[in-house]
Amino acid sequence: AQKITQTQPGMFVQEKEAVTLDCTYDTSDPSYGLFWYKQPSSGEMIFLIYQGSYDQQNATEGRYSLNFQKARKSANLVISASQLGDSAMYFCAMRERGFQKLVFGTGTRLLVSP
Amino acid sequence: DAGVIQSPRHEVTEMGQEVTLRCKPISGHNSLFWYRQTMMRGLELLIYFNNNVPIDDSGMPEDRFSAKMPNASFSTLKIQPSEPRDSAVYFCASSLAGALNQPQHFGDGTRLSIL
Repeated sequence: AQKITQTQPGMFVQEKEAVTLDCTYDTSDPSYGLFWYKQPSSGEMIFLIYQGSYDQQNATEGRYSLNFQKARKSANLVISASQLGDSAMYFCAMRERGFQKLVFGTGTRLLVSP
Repeated sequence: DAGVIQSPRHEVTEMGQEVTLRCKPISGHNSLFWYRQTMMRGLELLIYFNNNVPIDDSGMPEDRFSAKMPNASFSTLKIQPSEPRDSAVYFCASSLAGALNQPQHFGDGTRLSIL
């Protein structure tokens, strides 16, 4: 069964520093996709970045990058040069091939301080 | 381009009343998902549709919940009768079915309070 684990309930970082949000997953399917979403205090869910299980390179989208370690089943989100607007909940999610369903982790609340 | 549109944004109603939540997916998307978010249970998938057909409704809590998708541009989630434990944020999301790399795009959610 699919499972996503986010062990950090909360993280603090100072503005302009980098921060890593952890995500580990469990699946027996060799083909899967990993997604990260941001949920600011206003409540909407914003798609940030995607990593496929067969992708050779770590995904990057602007200041977001994924540290994908397939053997360890981890897909950590790295935010570089943190900004105050990065303060939000961050969710890791996984989808297996053949399934439309996304399974979400419990989320990590990030607070960026000036 | 318009994103996923949900209405209402907020709903406050009394226990026992019928509640209808509405969703317009992104044009061209053929998969639609309804989620519920609570502090206790996090994000839960309630039901999803492919090409307007319900595929997996195993997350629907009980018979009080029903969902329909009469056409490709509209879906409803209905709760009848509503109970205080149904209070949550309900999200609708849509995506292109098929490739793994297609993300689900979420609406802004409906914050439901049952008194």
